[in-house]
Amino acid sequence: GAVVSQHPSRVICKSGTSVKIECRSLDFQATTMFWYRQFPKKSLMLMATSNEGSKATYEQGVEKDKFLINHASLTLSTLTVTSAHPEDSSFYICSALWTSSEQYFGPGTRLTVT
Amino acid sequence: AQSVTQLDSQVPVFEEAPVELRCSYSSSVSVYLFWYVQYPNQGLQLLLKYLSGSTLVKGINGFEAEFNKSQTSFHLRKPSVHISDTAEYFCAVRGGGADGLTFGKGTHLIIQP
Repeated sequence: GAVVSQHPSRVICKSGTSVKIECRSLDFQATTMFWYRQFPKKSLMLMATSNEGSKATYEQGVEKDKFLINHASLTLSTLTVTSAHPEDSSFYICSALWTSSEQYFGPGTRLTVT
Repeated sequence: AQSVTQLDSQVPVFEEAPVELRCSYSSSVSVYLFWYVQYPNQGLQLLLKYLSGSTLVKGINGFEAEFNKSQTSFHLRKPSVHISDTAEYFCAVRGGGADGLTFGKGTHLIIQP
């Protein structure tokens, strides 16, 4: 199947700083990518839909100024957590839409804010 | 809008026994249905999907699921589990177009020797 990578796999940052997470589709072009957040022992929650060349669409309750999404090319979407706080610590997973019915997931990024 | 309910947060099963993980959904539109597996500290791997056609869907690792439209269910089954099947299993739905997935809360499958 198609491959989606995320970088970094783990990141620790201090409270108040910003951190950028990259999501790349390695062998196909993805006009649409998704960002999910997974809390410990809980399900994945869709945060936003990232569309190449246009603004991201955020789910209700997700702060767009805190979680900046950029989808500048057909193979790269980035999520920047701005002014991170300990409550932003989580597992962030991206996916890329392969066909109308299937999306491929990245391996996830573990963010820890101290 | 869609929602997904996984009725069991944890299912312990003895090795080589059969297992069924339950999933119910609600939606006002036709949906695509998926089961994913997640191993510790990893991303999601697609087990199987239902798009249309035959209601019995076969996936990887010996898993299968049956779509029941009248009961709005999509239960996952395996006739004989192995220790390596220990993982978190997520049921998910998606409407048409480029919508993201709506996940259930997951079921932790624990295989006992």
